[in-house]
Amino acid sequence: AQSVTQLDSQVPVFEEAPVELRCNYSSSVSVYLFWYVQYPNQGLQLLLKYLSGSTLVKGINGFEAEFNKSQTSFHLRKPSVHISDTAEYFCAVSEVGGSYIPTFGRGTSLIVHP
Amino acid sequence: EAGVAQSPRYKIIEKRQSVAFWCNPISGHATLYWYQQILGQGPKLLIQFQNNGVVDDSQLPKDRFSAERLKGVDSTLKIQPAKLEDSAVYLCASSLAPGAYNEQFFGPGTRLTVL
Repeated sequence: AQSVTQLDSQVPVFEEAPVELRCNYSSSVSVYLFWYVQYPNQGLQLLLKYLSGSTLVKGINGFEAEFNKSQTSFHLRKPSVHISDTAEYFCAVSEVGGSYIPTFGRGTSLIVHP
Repeated sequence: EAGVAQSPRYKIIEKRQSVAFWCNPISGHATLYWYQQILGQGPKLLIQFQNNGVVDDSQLPKDRFSAERLKGVDSTLKIQPAKLEDSAVYLCASSLAPGAYNEQFFGPGTRLTVL
């Protein structure tokens, strides 16, 4: 079975600074990887996903993530954050050939200060 | 295009009471999911429907939870009787079809508080 670890429960950052949210996964087979964002009192929205091909994945709102198979990581990055990026971010993994239902991490709260 | 609709948005009940949540997926989406999101955790799948059939309900506590999607469109999730540990946000999601290549679209959720 797969699992996901989001190493930081909270990441404070100043506006226009770069940010990295860390995600590590565990699986005995090949995986698909996802990042979702959840704004207060809203459902989850897909930011980006890695299914195959290029390990650098670009998503919405200027976010990108890089799949590193040797380090079993899928860290999310943005070069310059805005106040509006304040939200909860979830990393998720599903196994290739499995049920495709993602297993979510506990989430990282990104707090952008002015 | 309208998104996934859920109601109610908030519900407060006493333990041992029953409660029902409703979800209307995006038009044309054959696959519907119910997730439970406990505070401080990521969502956990409770049940997955393909049209009006259950695909996966392995994580659904069947002694107290039930769900149906009778006409393959909207769905209801019921808890009877509720326990304190059922306090959570219940998210509904839908996709065109199952599989990682089909994006899941999430509704705003129903926040349940059991006292």
